Amino acid sequence: KAGVTQTPRYLIKTRGQQVTLSCSPISGHRSVSWYQQTPGQGLQFLFEYFSETQRNKGNFPGRFSGRQFSNSRSEMNVSTLELGDSALYLCASSLVSGDEQYFGPGTRLTVT
Amino acid sequence: AQTVTQSQPEMSVQEAETVTLSCTYDTSESNYYLFWYKQPPSRQMILVIRQEAYKQQNATENRFSVNFQKAAKSFSLKISDSQLGDTAMYFCAFRHTGANSKLTFGKGITLSVRP
Repeated sequence: KAGVTQTPRYLIKTRGQQVTLSCSPISGHRSVSWYQQTPGQGLQFLFEYFSETQRNKGNFPGRFSGRQFSNSRSEMNVSTLELGDSALYLCASSLVSGDEQYFGPGTRLTVT
Repeated sequence: AQTVTQSQPEMSVQEAETVTLSCTYDTSESNYYLFWYKQPPSRQMILVIRQEAYKQQNATENRFSVNFQKAAKSFSLKISDSQLGDTAMYFCAFRHTGANSKLTFGKGITLSVRP
């Protein structure tokens, strides 16, 4: 069974631009969670989607948004990028919300 | 709110020796899960071991075992017979039971295994 995949793996954007990251969960998994990882703040929870509905949200500004499609694939969007948004963005999937999570390889976003 | 604390930022161990990574957490919940995740330099986060709070028996997975002290809110990871492939960042994480719960991570510890 294929693991969690994230695209793109690397991304360079300029301040003020917006970006969309994609996550394909393990087949059959219906829950997708997103995390931001930085050296200073560590791993921080962004949000979780289950059956196309946002179930939980972390403490991030409204510039960070996400959605989930009927096939469970998820996207997260960051608008008006700031230098501080440079991070590794990790996606994790689980069978259902609250179940064991499996992580993808991440998308490395650099904002210049 | 739950917090997870990993006070040691770095550790080093000789190959084949045993090392213990510390983790403490704070919660008012009585039912929850604790995890140790490994993130090698390739960046893929891997679940190493998990512990259910209601279980008194410490979880074990091959060379990895935990020392779970619920009253002290302590959850340490012991790696026996350390191997070069164990070199990675290790994160302790907490999640309370329930469908809408989220994973809360500690800051992580960088473990280096020396040949």
